[in-house]
Amino acid sequence: DAKTTQPPSMDCAEGRAANLPCNHSTISGNEYVYWYRQIHSQGPQYIIHGLKNNETNEMASLIITEDRKSSTLILPHATLRDTAVYYCIVRDNSGGSNYKLTFGKGTLLTVNP
Amino acid sequence: ETGVTQTPRHLVMGMTNKKSLKCEQHLGHNAMYWYKQSAKKPLELMFVYNFKEQTENNSVPSRFSPECPNSSHLFLHLHTLQPEDSALYLCASRKLGSGPNEQFFGPGTRLTVL
Repeated sequence: DAKTTQPPSMDCAEGRAANLPCNHSTISGNEYVYWYRQIHSQGPQYIIHGLKNNETNEMASLIITEDRKSSTLILPHATLRDTAVYYCIVRDNSGGSNYKLTFGKGTLLTVNP
Repeated sequence: ETGVTQTPRHLVMGMTNKKSLKCEQHLGHNAMYWYKQSAKKPLELMFVYNFKEQTENNSVPSRFSPECPNSSHLFLHLHTLQPEDSALYLCASRKLGSGPNEQFFGPGTRLTVL
């Protein structure tokens, strides 16, 4: 699976949009971009994933650049409860790989009042 | 609530003890995972089970022994652990099939080995 690079930490004001970047310059054509987050001392939580097109769900939006070498997770109105470590993971969904997720260090997003 | 439960939530054990961690999922999934998260380290995959069969052991020491009696339950049996095994142990599950399917994680068991 392709490697990802994320800033170690970011701050965001409550109520503002949080934009979390991720670089994945070695991504291959059949690899998806996944985002998970982990609130302190809890298990990771799936947020969103995408292949080529931008995606939106009730939690967030995922913007993937046209060349797919980077992406941005957007939390449109961050709340204090969004303070967490956010992981960007790139993985191949073809068979035979056990569909395992390789977590890096992620970005610690701190939402400030 | 993710539909994946883990018990106990906290466990303190001595190096000579034998204990077991339990994971249960109520989502109808058929793949289950054990991860370890040590302090200030990324999550590390330990074991993968697909349809009750172990399909991956990520070079985990034999003092950790997994068991998957059915697709809904996963255990991690612990014996003669070391203090460096203290960590958050996370269970996850997913539904096998075509296309991307996300993993659902339990809340974890915080293990302390004295």
